[in-house]
Formats: sequence, C-alpha cells, structure tokens
Amino acid sequence: DGGITQSPKYLFRKEGQNVTLSCEQNLNHDAMYWYRQDPGQGLRLIYYSQIVNDFQKGDIAEGYSVSREKKESFPLTVTSAQKNPTAFYLCASSRPGNLNTEAFFGQGTRLTVV
Amino acid sequence: AQKITQTQPGMFVQEKEAVTLDCTYDTSDPSYGLFWYKQPSSGEMIFLIYQGSYDQQNATEGRYSLNFQKARKSANLVISASQLGDSAMYFCAMREGGYGGATNKLIFGTGTLLAVQP
Repeated sequence: DGGITQSPKYLFRKEGQNVTLSCEQNLNHDAMYWYRQDPGQGLRLIYYSQIVNDFQKGDIAEGYSVSREKKESFPLTVTSAQKNPTAFYLCASSRPGNLNTEAFFGQGTRLTVV
Repeated sequence: AQKITQTQPGMFVQEKEAVTLDCTYDTSDPSYGLFWYKQPSSGEMIFLIYQGSYDQQNATEGRYSLNFQKARKSANLVISASQLGDSAMYFCAMREGGYGGATNKLIFGTGTLLAVQP
C-alpha cells in the first residue's frame, strides 16, 4: 500500500540532545513537508522540499534541520537549539505543480523532552 | 503574506443538524487553492474538500460543502446531517499559485474542535 510512514510514533529525548524524526513515502511525490502541531496553534510549517536536494524554510525553522537526499525520505532533526521541542510532528507529501493536489500525511511522531 | 484564520476554537452541534466552520484567508496571489482537513483524536489528517480560486461553483463532497465567498476571502466548511463520527479537529489550509505555477508551500489555520452531541 502506498503511503507515508513516520517513525517512531513516540519519542523521548533528554534536554540538550539532538534527535532525528524519520519520514518515508512511497507515493512518488516530489514535495514533502514537516509540520509541528501544538494545542491551540494548529499546524505550523517547519520546512518543505519541492524536489530532491532542495528545501525551504517554513515559518518556524529555527532549531530544526532537514535533508532531502532521496525522493522517498525527508528526515527532520530537532536540535538542542530548539527551545521548546515537545510537540506532535507531522510529515506530509504531495504531487507538485497543481493547486488542487492535496497533501497526504503520516501518522505523526509525538516528541517529549524529559 | 499567506495567512489562514479560524476564529472558532470549539463548536457543538446536535446529531443530524448542519454546522458551519469558519475560515478566512489572506493572500495577494489571484491564484490559490483552499483545502479542509479533518483530524480525529488518533492524529491522522484526512483530506475532505478542495476549492480553487477560479472555481465558479462551490465545492461539494458528500455531506461536505464549501461556502466560498471570494470577495470576503472566506471559505467556510458546511457539514450537513452531522454524525457522531464527525467529532474531530477541522483545519483549513491554503496553497498559493505563484508566478511559475503552484508553489508547494501549504499553510494551515489553528483549527476548530467540533463536538457532535447525541
């Protein structure tokens, strides 16, 4: 079945440590996204990528980094510079080029800093 | 700059009644697309309906319809005949057209939590 896989589902991190969230898709989509979801703040865009080896900052990129070495994969690293990393992280992908192409989402990773 | 506003943090509706969830947007691009997603308590995001800025008619998908008022920059979601399974968070989202074709930047509002009461 085609889809987006995020792993792990739950992740605990000690303060000051970097952690990488995995996102893999087999939908052959060029565009991929990372969002952060906090209660009352909706989904905020962290980074997005329109094609392999290219990515753009979203609205809240500080403290995060990404790479896009393969079409299928768009890992997100939450660095120690991120002041408040505890949140629900959602990865998505879409076909590029058309306004009406919806984004498909993974199941999310809930990150907790302890 | 792109912006989506959902002013209703929470809504209640009686089962079998209709409900309208509000969404206003801001963009200077004449070409854009508007989306609604549903997020149940499980966390998954489910695409519901799409409206393009040049579409002449309001979009409909089953019990979902979009009340698109371009001059007011609003794209309200109407759910008819509410069911208990409609209880979820609902998000409005927008993608701008850009000068070279559709951009891939997709932004979301803060969401509305809908509770359907029996």
